[in-house]
Amino acid sequence: GQQLNQSPQSMFIQEGEDVSMNCTSSSIFNTWLWYKQDPGEGPVLLIALYKAGELTSNGRLTAQFGITRKDSFLNISASIPSDVGIYFCAGQLWGSNYKLTFGKGTLLTVNP
Amino acid sequence: GAGVSQSPRYKVTKRGQDVALRCDPISGHVSLYWYRQALGQGPEFLTYFNYEAQQDKSGLPNDRFSAERPEGSISTLTIQRTEQRDSAMYRCASSPAGGQGDTQYFGPGTRLTVL
Repeated sequence: GQQLNQSPQSMFIQEGEDVSMNCTSSSIFNTWLWYKQDPGEGPVLLIALYKAGELTSNGRLTAQFGITRKDSFLNISASIPSDVGIYFCAGQLWGSNYKLTFGKGTLLTVNP
Repeated sequence: GAGVSQSPRYKVTKRGQDVALRCDPISGHVSLYWYRQALGQGPEFLTYFNYEAQQDKSGLPNDRFSAERPEGSISTLTIQRTEQRDSAMYRCASSPAGGQGDTQYFGPGTRLTVL
């Protein structure tokens, strides 16, 4: 079953606002990933993190790999309507280099 | 270039029937993965292939589920004697080489409904 706790479950924000979501686990992960899923499509990788403490940006997105290896967050700055979708955190457990464990997702709605 | 494709996109079947779901990975990708995604959940790992070898099938729920990738390219996930609880989105992913740092590219999925 799922081992990642992702929050919040959903967010409804105004265009231009910043957004933050996070994932925690009781297990140690050696990789943290953030995916976005649009309706009718598969998840698409946004950001990948490989080292504890790592902070990585991709345009308006910033993600961090927690120092304990048990958590990660994703920030989206200055949201726009096309940011709408479901955001998933995913990780590779320590000792696994292929199997992804996903959170339940955060549904983001952006009001223009 | 072409991404991961899956067929059919939608499958409705009656309880007790067998179904076969197909995945066409990105050309040249060594690794292939099957996941199952229930409504309101993230994908859950089912099985993993490296070339034609099934390296891990620990996520397959029971022996009604099987998968193959005989030539190291196209893969088929087969569910025998389907049950209503098998209804879900089945997603395939492929990656160039497997391992940490290897991005998994997901297909659009097959929505399976068992009546």
